[in-house]
Amino acid sequence: GENVEQHPSTLSVQEGDSAVIKCTYSDSASNYFPWYKQELGKGPQLIIDIRSNVGEKKDQRIAVTLNKTAKHFSLHITETQPEDSAVYFCAAYRNNDMRFGAGTRLTVKP
Amino acid sequence: IAGITQAPTSQILAAGRRMTLRCTQDMRHNAMYWYRQDLGLGLRLIHYSNTAGTTGKGEVPDGYSVSRANTDDFPLTLASAVPSQTSVYFCATPREGSSYEQYFGPGTRLTVT
Repeated sequence: GENVEQHPSTLSVQEGDSAVIKCTYSDSASNYFPWYKQELGKGPQLIIDIRSNVGEKKDQRIAVTLNKTAKHFSLHITETQPEDSAVYFCAAYRNNDMRFGAGTRLTVKP
Repeated sequence: IAGITQAPTSQILAAGRRMTLRCTQDMRHNAMYWYRQDLGLGLRLIHYSNTAGTTGKGEVPDGYSVSRANTDDFPLTLASAVPSQTSVYFCATPREGSSYEQYFGPGTRLTVT
């Protein structure tokens, strides 16, 4: 089955700096790669996603890149703000099977 | 997110007891999913249902059962709870028109002692 690895497990940045979280996957048939943000005591919320036929997608301060050949994808957050502090999860999807990374705890220091 | 409710919010359960976690959506979506979330392991799919009357096994189905008698409800049952089932459980359903973009309920924190 699919295996998704996520790095780093924790990340601390200064407000205004950029943050990058990276994930790798093992199943080349995976075709959809979402990123979720989870705040304390809440369910994960979808923040951006990318399909396998696209290499990059951007939404304001958030961008995701996908390298299908290398089977890795990354989340980029620019101009970080304290409210970006949360746990972020990547995932890879194929045929009703969504596999998640273990998560990255991002702390943005004011 | 509005439209998915889970109950209870939290529960402490003695090992060996039976427990049903409830999930209800009012969006009339066909697909629904159950995940468990454990520290360091992310979210793992337990069971899913593509439409009322059908269910399927996910990555970690052992010890759990589900039913889908109608579109709105997707209960998850632990027939005989064990301490390793201590976790936070999330129900999810895809955004209308998409089979991928899953939206999660608020979760149920279950502790099995």
